[in-house]
Amino acid sequence: QQQVKQSPQSLIVQKGGISIINCAYENTAFDYFPWYQQFPGKGPALLIAIRPDVSEKKEGRFTISFNKSAKQFSLHIMDSQPGDSATYFCAAAIGNQFYFGTGTSLTVIP
Amino acid sequence: DAGITQSPRHKVTETGTPVTLRCHQTENHRYMYWYRQDPGHGLRLIHYSYGVKDTDKGEVSDGYSVSRSKTEDFLLTLESATSSQTSVYFCAITRGQGNGETQYFGPGTRLLVL
Repeated sequence: QQQVKQSPQSLIVQKGGISIINCAYENTAFDYFPWYQQFPGKGPALLIAIRPDVSEKKEGRFTISFNKSAKQFSLHIMDSQPGDSATYFCAAAIGNQFYFGTGTSLTVIP
Repeated sequence: DAGITQSPRHKVTETGTPVTLRCHQTENHRYMYWYRQDPGHGLRLIHYSYGVKDTDKGEVSDGYSVSRSKTEDFLLTLESATSSQTSVYFCAITRGQGNGETQYFGPGTRLLVL
């Protein structure tokens, strides 16, 4: 059973556009929600993370929106750039146990 | 960089042969994990360790065993490799960040079982 459901599987965005990736979870015990960015041939790298006591976190062009009542969270990439082309994973964690979404392949077209 | 190295980085082996992958960390983290990454499945937990000689199974542990005889090394063994174990394997640790723990990944091992 997939603990974290991620969509879309792939996404193509024009340079300068907004990329949005969505995730949903069921277990209300999750207390940490990170996003990872992965380039080909590399390991996933932590991009940005949020805890459920806030509804939004912004770091540069990357924003997490968190809706606790709907059990959903999303990653927004503003002013998307070709260098943002990568695979993005959402995750949900309880303590030291992490559960990952299936990933979204983002392509930003120049 | 969480000081994680994996070896080998690439390996080709034949069905039925044993394979051992190594994860090494330099920062004395208590928790270590092995994941496999496959298209359409994301990252799936194989086994994890919460201390020397303390390990537990993840969601896809069948066909895999692990050992941790010292803090810095976490070994993943495929006793008799099968083609379904062709995958990219990532080691991870958890490390405190801000007001909690987060996971950091090694560079991965690409395994091809023929």
